[in-house]
Amino acid sequence: TQLLEQSPQFLSIQEGENLTVYCNSSSVFSSLQWYRQEPGEGPVLLVTVVTGGEVKKLKRLTFQFGDARKDSSLHITAAQTGDTGLYLCAGRSGNNRLAFGKGNQVVVIP
Amino acid sequence: NAGVTQTPKFQVLKTGQSMTLQCAQDMNHEYMSWYRQDPGMGLRLIHYSVGAGITDQGEVPNGYNVSRSTTEDFPLRLLSAAPSQTSVYFCASSYSNSRNQQFFGPGTRLTVL
Repeated sequence: TQLLEQSPQFLSIQEGENLTVYCNSSSVFSSLQWYRQEPGEGPVLLVTVVTGGEVKKLKRLTFQFGDARKDSSLHITAAQTGDTGLYLCAGRSGNNRLAFGKGNQVVVIP
Repeated sequence: NAGVTQTPKFQVLKTGQSMTLQCAQDMNHEYMSWYRQDPGMGLRLIHYSVGAGITDQGEVPNGYNVSRSTTEDFPLRLLSAAPSQTSVYFCASSYSNSRNQQFFGPGTRLTVL
């Protein structure tokens, strides 16, 4: 089982601040996905990155896939209260299964 | 489209009882899967199916059975519930088991006493 480590586990920031969370592994992934999960709901896909070094932007969210395809980061610019949630990264490996990290719990305080 | 639906939303069982968690999707997805989510453990794959009539084990299959008689439905059966199976269960579906987006249901919160 590929181990995906997400850090920090918990992050609390003021509205308007920037934040970055990380997803790291010693394994190489063919693709990596980021999901956001809100309380009482299932995860919702935000982005899929495939190519090493790839950067994708989704409004104020910037996702980067590491050059070696072992790690990824999510940067949020000028966080809003609507960004509060559990951010999950999931990597797809050679057996084509999707392995999830434990998540980054982000709380944006108004 | 209703997407992925799960029933029940909440369930309390006694140790040794059996039950079936229902999952249905109306998107004609071939790939369906069941996960459990526990505090500090993330999402773990229980069973998955790449199409009607085909199922396979995931990371934590013990104590659970699945079947896939139709494309739309993928029920998860607990044969003899144990307290260790207390968790939130999510069903997910996608067009195929590749880079496609997985759509998750709203989850079933199960407590085994």
